[in-house]
Parts: sequence; C-alpha cells; structure tokens
Amino acid sequence: AQSVTQLDSHVSVSEGTPVLLRCNYSSSYSPSLFWYVQHPNKGLQLLLKYTSAATLVKGINGFEAEFKKSETSFHLTKPSAHMSDAAEYFCVVSDPNSGYSTLTFGKGTMLLVSP
Amino acid sequence: NAGVTQTPKFQVLKTGQSMTLQCAQDMNHNSMYWYRQDPGMGLRLIYYSASEGTTDKGEVPNGYNVSRLNKREFSLRLESAAPSQTSVYFCASTFDRAGNSYTFGSGTRLTVV
Repeated sequence: AQSVTQLDSHVSVSEGTPVLLRCNYSSSYSPSLFWYVQHPNKGLQLLLKYTSAATLVKGINGFEAEFKKSETSFHLTKPSAHMSDAAEYFCVVSDPNSGYSTLTFGKGTMLLVSP
Repeated sequence: NAGVTQTPKFQVLKTGQSMTLQCAQDMNHNSMYWYRQDPGMGLRLIYYSASEGTTDKGEVPNGYNVSRLNKREFSLRLESAAPSQTSVYFCASTFDRAGNSYTFGSGTRLTVV
C-alpha cells in the first residue's frame, strides 16, 4: 500500500523568504509523485510531477521539488515566497503498477505568507 | 475547453434525503474518480471507474453509490444523506494508468443538516 506523510500541517513564512514544505512517501513500487495547490474555496491545481525522469522537478510559479529515493522524500521548495503563494499544498503519490491509478493524498500543509 | 464539470456547486440536504452529484468530462479520458475532502484529511477516494462499464470501491465507499453512465459521465449518489457526509466532493478524470494527466473538477460543497 502507498501512503504520504506531510510533516507540517502549517508553515509560516515572510514574503521574500524561502519556502520548504516537507513530504515523505511510502510505496512498494517506483511511484509517481505530485504536488497540488488549492487556494481558498478553489479546486486543485497541479504544481509539478515526478514520473521517474529527472529527480529535480521544476513546476509552475517558481516551485520545484527533489525526489530522493534513499530518503523516500519529495520536498517542495521555492526560493522566495509571494503573498499569492498562501494556500494549502498537497503531496500526492500514485502507483502506476498497481492497476488503474488512484491517487493517495497527504493531509495537506497550509502555507501562510506574511508581509 | 470545459475539462471536468461538476454540478451542483453547492447543496444543502436534510438528513435522510437523497441526491446525485453529476460529473462530466470532455477530454475522452478513460478513468474517472470521486474524492471527498475534509479538513485535515486531504482527499480520500470514494469510488473510481477505470473504464466505461466498470466501477470499484475506494477508501471510503460506505453510504455512496456510483454510475458510469457512459465514457463522459460518472455520477455519485447519496441514498440517505447523513451529517458525516458533509464535505467537499471532487470529481477527477485521467487518460492513462500512470495518472499523469489527472484533471479535477471545481468541487461540490455539500452540507447535510
């Protein structure tokens, strides 16, 4: 079975400072990993995805994540936070080898950005 | 491009009432999914349909039924709504088994009183 642990339920940063949202996963196979963002009262938007190509994945809005198999981690980073980054972020794992793909979501990390 | 369309966007039900949440996609995707989102829980899979004519239970199927009406449409039915089913419901679809092309609808906010 696959699972995802987001290590922080809330992260607070100041505008212009770096962002780090931590995610660890568990999967029996080589997983696909995703980060999604959800702004208040909105749907889900894909930030980036890892699908066994390059381990450093670049996404939209300056976000990137690094897949580290030895640490079973897929942390999300951004060099400089903007006010518009305030949202909830979900780390997600998919096991494409277990049949038809279903996504397993982490419980989410709320990113708060202060001026 | 409409993508994944969910109706209604908001709904209030009384305990014991029934309703159907509708989902349609226009991307010719094979697989469709229903998730529910609760605070602090992320999204949890209710049911999915790998292809037209098939449906399977996910993590939290109790109290729900689904119908894959055709390739485009996948509905979720609550036969007798309970307050525990108050949630935001998301429909999603994807073309391939790897799930790399997941597309989510904008959600249905359901309150059961």
